[in-house]
Amino acid sequence: TQLLEQSPQFLSIQEGENLTVYCNSSSVFSSLQWYRQEPGEGPVLLVTVVTGGEVKKLKRLTFQFGDARKDSSLHITAAQPGDTGLYLCGGAGSYQLTFGKGTKLSVIP
Amino acid sequence: EAQVTQNPRYLITVTGKKLTVTCSQNMNHEYMSWYRQDPGLGLRQIYYSMNVEVTDKGDVPEGYKVSRKEKRNFPLILESPSPNQTSLYFCASSFWGPYEQYFGPGTRLTVT
Repeated sequence: TQLLEQSPQFLSIQEGENLTVYCNSSSVFSSLQWYRQEPGEGPVLLVTVVTGGEVKKLKRLTFQFGDARKDSSLHITAAQPGDTGLYLCGGAGSYQLTFGKGTKLSVIP
Repeated sequence: EAQVTQNPRYLITVTGKKLTVTCSQNMNHEYMSWYRQDPGLGLRQIYYSMNVEVTDKGDVPEGYKVSRKEKRNFPLILESPSPNQTSLYFCASSFWGPYEQYFGPGTRLTVT
């Protein structure tokens, strides 16, 4: 089983601050996917990164895939209360998607 | 509307009483999967299916069965539920392979 380590596990910040969430593994993945999950709902895909070194932006969210395709980061600029939720990274192999344990983000107004 | 549906959303049952959680998708996706989510353990894959009649074990398959007789449906079967199967279960689907999955709303199962 491929393992994904996600950090930090919990993050509580003030509105307007910046933050970075990390997703690390010793395994190489064909792609790295980031999801956000809100209480009582299923995860929703934010972005997929496929190429080593790839950077994708989604409004105030910036996603980066490591050169060796073993790690990824999610950076949020000027966090808003609406960003509150559980952020999950998932590494795709040939047939399976392996998730990290998630980062629970709380943005305080 | 493109969606993955699961039923029931909530279920409380007793040890040993067989149950089935249904999952259906309307996007003509080939890949379907079941996960369980537990505090401190995250999302773990139970079973997956690459296509009709093709299923395989994920990371935590013990105590579960699945079938894929039709493309749109992927039921999860617990033949003899035990308290350690109390969890939040998610079904997911994607066009092909474990990429860009659409998740259902979840089924919260409690086994007493």
